Amino acid sequence: ETGVTQSPTHLIKTRGQQVTLRCSSQSGHNTVSWYQQALGQGPQFIFQYYREEENGRGNFPPRFSGLQFPNYSSELNVNALELDDSALYLCASSSAGGPGETQYFGPGTRLLVL
Amino acid sequence: AQSVSQHNHHVILSEAASLELGCNYSYGGTVNLFWYVQYPGQHLQLLLKYFSGDPLVKGIKGFEAEFIKSKFSFNLRKPSVQWSDTAEYFCAVNAADGGTALIFGKGTTLSVSS
Repeated sequence: ETGVTQSPTHLIKTRGQQVTLRCSSQSGHNTVSWYQQALGQGPQFIFQYYREEENGRGNFPPRFSGLQFPNYSSELNVNALELDDSALYLCASSSAGGPGETQYFGPGTRLLVL
Repeated sequence: AQSVSQHNHHVILSEAASLELGCNYSYGGTVNLFWYVQYPGQHLQLLLKYFSGDPLVKGIKGFEAEFIKSKFSFNLRKPSVQWSDTAEYFCAVNAADGGTALIFGKGTTLSVSS
């Protein structure tokens, strides 16, 4: 059973640029959630995708967008990068059994915006 | 809105000491509760979760947590810590009748000296 993988592991961008982060869900999982973890903070929910549709969104502006593909892998896109977007971006996958389902996290992508 | 509060930012213990990490949540409805752990250099992984039934939940590596509904608390305990328990611990909650998005606390760093 393959776990959740994310790419790239690290990324450096400059303010105003755009970035795409990728996530492959664990085998058998059809739900992907994205979280932002700033330094010294807990992860904050960005949005969730279920069967290629957005299925819930946290308090993040529209320049944070995503996609889910038929194989349930997912992308997080961030436009017009700001310095405060520097963080660890975590992807988590789960099966669609409901809120009690365990979310399995990937290792994250560390983004630095200069 | 839901929120999670973890009382201790950094806890330092000697091996064999007992551990209790506090977690309180704010939400008016039925919740699912989780403790995740992040060992140095590793990704977030589930320690234990509560979604119904016995409020005393046992997880991996000898950890347990007790859900006290009247106190909105879900404290994590371990009778005797080991050096290998050094990690960051996150409490998280989601609404039992809502989406699967997790609301995390800010985390507690546990340092265990041998």
